[in-house]
Amino acid sequence: DADVTQTPRNRITKTGKRIMLECSQTKGHDRMYWYRQDPGLGLRLIYYSFDVKDINKGEISDGYSVSRQAQAKFSLSLESAIPNQTALYFCATRNSGGTYNEQFFGPGTRLTVL
Amino acid sequence: AQKVTQAQTEISVVEKEDVTLDCVYETRDTTYYLFWYKQPPSGELVFLIRRNSFDEQNEISGRYSWNFQKSTSSFNFTITASQVVDSAVYFCALGGGLLTGGGNKLTFGTGTQLKVEL
Repeated sequence: DADVTQTPRNRITKTGKRIMLECSQTKGHDRMYWYRQDPGLGLRLIYYSFDVKDINKGEISDGYSVSRQAQAKFSLSLESAIPNQTALYFCATRNSGGTYNEQFFGPGTRLTVL
Repeated sequence: AQKVTQAQTEISVVEKEDVTLDCVYETRDTTYYLFWYKQPPSGELVFLIRRNSFDEQNEISGRYSWNFQKSTSSFNFTITASQVVDSAVYFCALGGGLLTGGGNKLTFGTGTQLKVEL
């Protein structure tokens, strides 16, 4: 079973709709992240969370919100989706203990906003 | 600010050729970490390697090798005897610096698309 899962894997929606992307992990990591990937731009950080009560904005948080419901769950919401939010969204986790460890990524959610 | 530059947008090679993917970074931190990730056509991101700024030893893992040169702020990735299965987008990333991003920001390059043909 995958350590980091994302649902849905694909979603097509219309402008103005509210959308929630969900991420769950079984790695026991405390830190979770949401990124978006656009062609030619690499991955950009939307939000990150150190634990359930600690949420931080990334470099492109406008138009997005997040919720850390439990250590294992981190959801990303688009309150009113717009076409330029069409992208591939990744959730990632990291263990903060010890040295600076790598982030582990979920399989991605491909979101299309019409 | 942190920055990662992967100047090669796309590289095409014939199977069994060696290929080097370039990565140049900028940071004000003296302690930091560098990473390479692979994104195959299926879309997931696969971690390949982590290197800290104090360890400039080159690393080899099978057909993969990494050359970290702090003097030129580069962390290049070489695939020896490339195979079709190596076709993917490869991302270089920089993180772990306390001066930039509070130690949590992972800055990615824009990726290099590698195509290995028969």
